[in-house]
Amino acid sequence: RKEVEQDPGPFNVPEGATVAFNCTYSNSASQSFFWYRQDCRKEPKLLMSVYSSGNEDGRFTAQLNRASQYISLLIRDSKLSDSATYLCVVNFASGGSYIPTFGRGTSLIVHP
Amino acid sequence: NAGVTQTPKFQVLKTGQSMTLQCAQDMNHNSMYWYRQDPGMGLRLIYYSASEGTTDKGEVPNGYNVSRLNKREFSLRLESAAPSQTSVYFCASGLRGRFQGDEVKNIQYFGAGTRLSVL
Repeated sequence: RKEVEQDPGPFNVPEGATVAFNCTYSNSASQSFFWYRQDCRKEPKLLMSVYSSGNEDGRFTAQLNRASQYISLLIRDSKLSDSATYLCVVNFASGGSYIPTFGRGTSLIVHP
Repeated sequence: NAGVTQTPKFQVLKTGQSMTLQCAQDMNHNSMYWYRQDPGMGLRLIYYSASEGTTDKGEVPNGYNVSRLNKREFSLRLESAAPSQTSVYFCASGLRGRFQGDEVKNIQYFGAGTRLSVL
């Protein structure tokens, strides 16, 4: 069982819809959290960090729930260009290093 | 703005052949990583280097070796390639810093990937 779990989807939504993804993690020592976006056959790129207090970047909102060990990503007013795979990443500290673990990704398809 | 550069972009090997994947970053990051990505499996960490002179195993290290040549360069070597190593390989470097007043640990920047087929 992977330590970071995501629903693979695909989530198929119309333009303008609001969609939310969750990601659960099993290591309670996890210390930093991110959402990455990956387009087909491309490298992952940072979408946003996830802060304990929650944070927003335009149409994107990220939340962290340490007690329940999950992070979420909310996308409002979906655009066609939001179609991609969204990866959550959880880092935990070990011996002075940060060890990243990726979820398998959630596929989003936004249609006209 | 080169960022993280990987070479080669594509490679086809025969079983038993060896090769080295090269990775270089120009962002002065301490940490560097090698991942493989397979369909349905997501990104899996092969090896990482927290700083120049150190390397550690990740989730799937068997069949691979790494060298942190200097702060910029981190190479991945397949000594005797097997078909199970057919995959897309990504190198990344990691930044620890402060954003919006909060400390953010290990933001990673990725290279464009190497698509490797082992026949």
